[in-house]
Amino acid sequence: KNEVEQSPQNLTAQEGEFITINCSYSVGISALHWLQQHPGGGIVSLFMLSSGKKKHGRLIATINIQEKHSSLHITASHPRDSAVYICAVPSLIQGAQKLVFGQGTRLTINP
Amino acid sequence: EPEVTQTPSHQVTQMGQEVILRCVPISNHLYFYWYRQILGQKVEFLVSFYNNEISEKSEIFDDQFSVERPDGSNFTLKIRSTKLEDSAMYFCASSPDRVGGYTFGSGTRLTVV
Repeated sequence: KNEVEQSPQNLTAQEGEFITINCSYSVGISALHWLQQHPGGGIVSLFMLSSGKKKHGRLIATINIQEKHSSLHITASHPRDSAVYICAVPSLIQGAQKLVFGQGTRLTINP
Repeated sequence: EPEVTQTPSHQVTQMGQEVILRCVPISNHLYFYWYRQILGQKVEFLVSFYNNEISEKSEIFDDQFSVERPDGSNFTLKIRSTKLEDSAMYFCASSPDRVGGYTFGSGTRLTVV
């Protein structure tokens, strides 16, 4: 069973700061998901990555498969980035993958 | 961009009543899932569905729960006799293949009173 741990659990920063959220998992995987959960509760998929680095706008996700570790970075953070960021890893089962979720990192960006 | 649509967005029900949560997955996706998130807790897996049958279900998914894809577009989760502890946000998701990217719906907040 894969265990997923995120740090920090809560993060408050000022607008413009560089943000890093970390995710560690216990069992080797083929890919890792970063998700964003808005205050209203909806979940949006940000990245799925299996190696190296991916970038989308001000968001950058990296993964080190050997270390079983991934990071999500936000450059030039903005109050609208305030949300819960969740990493999730697949647990492949017969017929489909299911995701095992971390507990999330609540990010608050103050203006 | 294609979306997974869930209805209703919020449902309040009396304990012991049946509820049906509805989802319309992305049309060319083949794998469908239900997850739930109790307030303040992690998102947890309920069930996966592929080729018109359940692929896997968690220990949470007991006989009170069922899923159906009645018409090739809708994907429903039924809770037969709701309990207070069923109060949670329920998310539907779909993926195009076994290892592909997920698309989540915006969730249904179920409150059992």
